[in-house]
Formats: sequence, structure tokens, C-alpha cells
Amino acid sequence: GAGVSQSPSNKVTEKGKDVELRCDPISGHTALYWYRQSLGQGLEFLIYFQGNSAPDKSGLPSDRFSAERTGGSVSTLTIQRTQQEDSAVYLCASSLAEGYGYTFGSGTRLTVV
Amino acid sequence: SQKIEQNSEALNIQEGKTATLTCNYTNYSPAYLQWYRQDPGRGPVFLLLIRENEKEKRKERLKVTFDTTLKQSLFHITASQPADSATYLCALTHGSSNTGKLIFGQGTTLQVKP
Repeated sequence: GAGVSQSPSNKVTEKGKDVELRCDPISGHTALYWYRQSLGQGLEFLIYFQGNSAPDKSGLPSDRFSAERTGGSVSTLTIQRTQQEDSAVYLCASSLAEGYGYTFGSGTRLTVV
Repeated sequence: SQKIEQNSEALNIQEGKTATLTCNYTNYSPAYLQWYRQDPGRGPVFLLLIRENEKEKRKERLKVTFDTTLKQSLFHITASQPADSATYLCALTHGSSNTGKLIFGQGTTLQVKP
């Protein structure tokens, strides 16, 4: 597609529920990244996929967080047993390869109540 | 510890002047550094990338410098306009062998007054 598409744009969930956030990167981009941004804060790295290599999961804050990228394209970030501190904007980005600028989606605003 | 520092105070300047934003880092050896613009409620937008062996990069009214000795990058917007008002983020890689993942600074908010 023309840009990085994320869905849903907003998600309100009850504490303890699982959520899935979806990212459709730009076609042909081999690298895909997930970040999260809390209100007024900087971007916190979560996970990075590059081609067929094993993902860099070093930023996932706990084992409640997981992500997959199917067929080198669409990615899903799953948060199990959500907590209030998980409330943030979750941003996905893709890039042509390592060493290129990122194209970000508009994010999913997650609110855990 | 590793740190990326951008001025957390908003920068207020008059239209037509040059805005200069600073990014300092410690305990990183980045292969390259990038600058992004973020508007409220939107994802960051890529502006410029500068590599460790480059001193300066320009794009239209934007100029970035990269001093690996001082561990600092400066981002300049010349002939600033109210439409340039936004938060500007610097981001860098950690090491020449780990060029995929960007670490972002907290950003500096620029306000250009007409």
C-alpha cells in the first residue's frame, strides 16, 4: 500500500483481557518495527523484524507481549492479560532495509480500563 | 549508561529565523543518525539521515550536522514558518553491526510564531 496501515486506530479494553494490534507495512519493505509511546514520552522500542532473520525482541517489556510477522508482511502485536500501564500509543514502522528511514503508521491508541 | 538527550524545553522562535535543535548522546557509537518530525496524534515522519562518515546533510530548508567526536547532532531549519511547528525527534543506531534498530530521543517541541 501507499503507507503503513495500523488497526484498530483506537482500542479500549478491560484490564486482564488480551488484545491484538495489526500492522500492514509498505509492500516490499523488509524491515518492520514496533514502538510504543506513552503520553508526553519518547518512543520505546519493542521488537524488530528483518526479512527471514530471527526477530530482535529485546524491547518487549514482559512475557505478556509477543509479536509475529506472517509471510514477511503483516505483523500482529499481542498483549495478554492487559494492565493499566500498557495504555499507550503503539506505533508500527517499516523500512526498505536496514539503514533507511522509517515510515510510521498513525498508531493504535490502547486504553486499558 | 546510554543516553540520548534533546532539550525538553520548547523552542520558541519568530517566523523567518533559523531554528537550531540539539541532540547529544553518550555511550553510543552510531553508524547513522536520523531526524523525524512528529505532529500531535500522528506517527513520526522521516526527514533526514546522516551517516557517521558525513559531517553535514541538507534537504531544502533543513540542515543536519553530525560530530562523532562531540557526540552531537544539530538540526537547523532556515527561514522557519509556523507550519514547521512540531516535535522533532533524533534517533540513532547502536553500533555499526546493529544498524536496524533506532533508539529515539524524547524530542524537542518547536513553536514558530508568525
